[in-house]
Amino acid sequence: AQSVTQLDSQVPVFEEAPVELRCNYSSSVSVYLFWYVQYPNQGLQLLLKYLSGSTLVESINGFEAEFNKSQTSFHLRKPSVHISDTAEYFCAVSGRDSNYQLIWGAGTKLIIKP
Amino acid sequence: SQTIHQWPATLVQPVGSPLSLECTVEGTSNPNLYWYRQAAGRGLQLLFYSVGIGQISSEVPQNLSASRPQDRQFILSSKKLLLSDSGFYLCAWRVPGQGYGYTFGSGTRLTVV
Repeated sequence: AQSVTQLDSQVPVFEEAPVELRCNYSSSVSVYLFWYVQYPNQGLQLLLKYLSGSTLVESINGFEAEFNKSQTSFHLRKPSVHISDTAEYFCAVSGRDSNYQLIWGAGTKLIIKP
Repeated sequence: SQTIHQWPATLVQPVGSPLSLECTVEGTSNPNLYWYRQAAGRGLQLLFYSVGIGQISSEVPQNLSASRPQDRQFILSSKKLLLSDSGFYLCAWRVPGQGYGYTFGSGTRLTVV
């Protein structure tokens, strides 16, 4: 069965500093990987996804994530964060094991300190 | 274009009152539909999902029920709300057969008092 682990429930970081939000998954088959962002009191928005091809995927607001099959990871990174990045970030995996239903991590709250 | 509508945005209801939250999808046919709940300090909890009209799967036993009377309409209901039903409720959809993730509605903040 597929599962997703986000080890950090909260990540505090100073504005303009780099950040990495960790995501590890377990699956016996090929997977699709996603990062969603949830701003306060809003629904979830797709930030970026890996379906196939290049293992490095990027979002329009400067985030990137790299699919690492050997380490079963899909960590989210940004070289310089802004106050507006304050949100909760969810990692998710889907694939044949889950009948393409999304399996969710517990979420990581990114806290930007001025 | 494909959109999802969820309402109301906020709701305050007394304990023991009924509940009806509605979600509708536009621009797609035969989507898979989902109801999630986020309680304070907790992650996403899948409550119900539906793969077609009248087909509802429940993930956890609870005080809630769901119905899908039309292809693109998904309703979350309760006959008598409990305090523990408070939370942020999210509707989502995806196109079956494609591993492209879900699209979420804007959510309903339910406070049971």
